[in-house]
Amino acid sequence: EAGVAQSPRYKIIEKRQSVAFWCNPISGHATLYWYQQILGQGPKLLIQFQNNGVVDDSQLPKDRFSAERLKGVDSTLKIQPAKLEDSAVYLCASSLTRDEQFFGPGTRLTVL
Amino acid sequence: KQEVTQIPAALSVPEGENLVLNCSFTDSAIYNLQWFRQDPGKGLTSLLLIQSSQREQTSGRLNASLDKSSGRSTLYIAASQPGDSATYLCAVRPRWETSGSRLTFGEGTQLTVNP
Repeated sequence: EAGVAQSPRYKIIEKRQSVAFWCNPISGHATLYWYQQILGQGPKLLIQFQNNGVVDDSQLPKDRFSAERLKGVDSTLKIQPAKLEDSAVYLCASSLTRDEQFFGPGTRLTVL
Repeated sequence: KQEVTQIPAALSVPEGENLVLNCSFTDSAIYNLQWFRQDPGKGLTSLLLIQSSQREQTSGRLNASLDKSSGRSTLYIAASQPGDSATYLCAVRPRWETSGSRLTFGEGTQLTVNP
C-alpha cells in the first residue's frame, strides 16, 4: 500500500512570501493531520480533518496559516505571509481509525 | 493540558548494549501511546502502539511497556546496532473523542549507537 505523499520535500523562501504544501493521504483514510515540527522539538498538531470537515484547528495560527481538504482526499496547507519562526518541518499524517497515524516524509521549510 | 517528557534527551552507547528510553505523561486519560522513530531529514516511522488496556507490546528487538496509572512508558531496545541510531519519539492520544485524535509528542531521545 502506498504511503502518505507530500510535496515539495524542501522549500526556501524569504520572509513575508507565501508558500503552500500538498499532502495525499493513504487511500481510504478519512482522517488527515498537519503537524509542525520545529528543530529539536516533537511535532505539534496544526489541524485535523475528518473527511472534508475540520475537527481540531485550535493550534493553527489562523492569521497566517490556512488549510483545506479537497473532496475528502488531498490537502493543502498555506502560509501567508511567512515569518522566520515558521521555519520547520511540516508533516502530514493520515489514519483509518483512532488507533494509528501514518506519517509522510515531511516538507522542510526554511524562511530567510 | 497533556504534557509528554522524554528522558534522556540524548544517549550514546556502544554497539550490542541493551538500553531503555523513558517517556512520561501528565494526564493518564489516554486512548493509546505510540513510539516512533525519526531518521534525520525524514518523517516518522511507527514502531509500536500500545492501547490503554495493554501493558506491553513487542516487535523484534523492541519492547514497549505502559504503566498508565503512573503516567510512564519505556522503550527497551535489545542488542543495539548502529542502524538503530535515530531520534525516538513517544506520543499519546487522548481518551475522549471530543478532544480529537491529536497526538501529543515528547521532544524525543536522540540515540547514537557506536560501532
